Amino acid sequence: AQSVTQLGSHVSVSEGALVLLRCNYSSSVPPYLFWYVQYPNQGLQLLLKYTSAATLVKGINGFEAEFKKSETSFHLTKPSAHMSDAAEYFCAVIEDGGFKTIFGAGTRLFVKA
Amino acid sequence: SQTIHQWPATLVQPVGSPLSLECTVEGTSNPNLYWYRQAAGRGLQLLFYSVGIGQISSEVPQNLSASRPQDRQFILSSKKLLLSDSGFYLCAWSVLGANQPQHFGDGTRLSIL
Repeated sequence: AQSVTQLGSHVSVSEGALVLLRCNYSSSVPPYLFWYVQYPNQGLQLLLKYTSAATLVKGINGFEAEFKKSETSFHLTKPSAHMSDAAEYFCAVIEDGGFKTIFGAGTRLFVKA
Repeated sequence: SQTIHQWPATLVQPVGSPLSLECTVEGTSNPNLYWYRQAAGRGLQLLFYSVGIGQISSEVPQNLSASRPQDRQFILSSKKLLLSDSGFYLCAWSVLGANQPQHFGDGTRLSIL
């Protein structure tokens, strides 16, 4: 069965520092991978998606993620954190040919001034 | 453009009372529809999904039910609420077909007293 594991339920960075949120997937077939962001009391918003066209995927708000098959990883990065990036981030996977999304447990990002 | 509406935004209900949460999607046809629950400090739990009018699949046994009376309308109901039904309920839609990202409403915060 497919799954995603997000390492670290909480990550804290200083404003201007690199953001790195980790995600590992488990899938027996090539997956479709996504990152979503959730701001307080709101729904989830799609940040980016990997669909096998390119291993480095650029998303909104300066975020990007790199698909590494050998490591079964899809880590999310941003070179310079902004206060407005403080939110919860979810990694998610759909097994090829499916439509049900499996979400990770989420990582809450704190940005310190 | 497509939009998704959920209401109400917040709801406080006594134990044993009924529940009806509504979700509608505009700007698309034949969407896949989903209901999730997000308990405090926990990830997203898929409750129901629907691939067409009158077609409902339940992911977890519980005292909730879902209905899809129209193509772009998805309703979450309960005859008698339990304390454990408290949480943040999210409706989402995706384009019909495989491997598509989901688009979320702003959620309903349900508190059971």
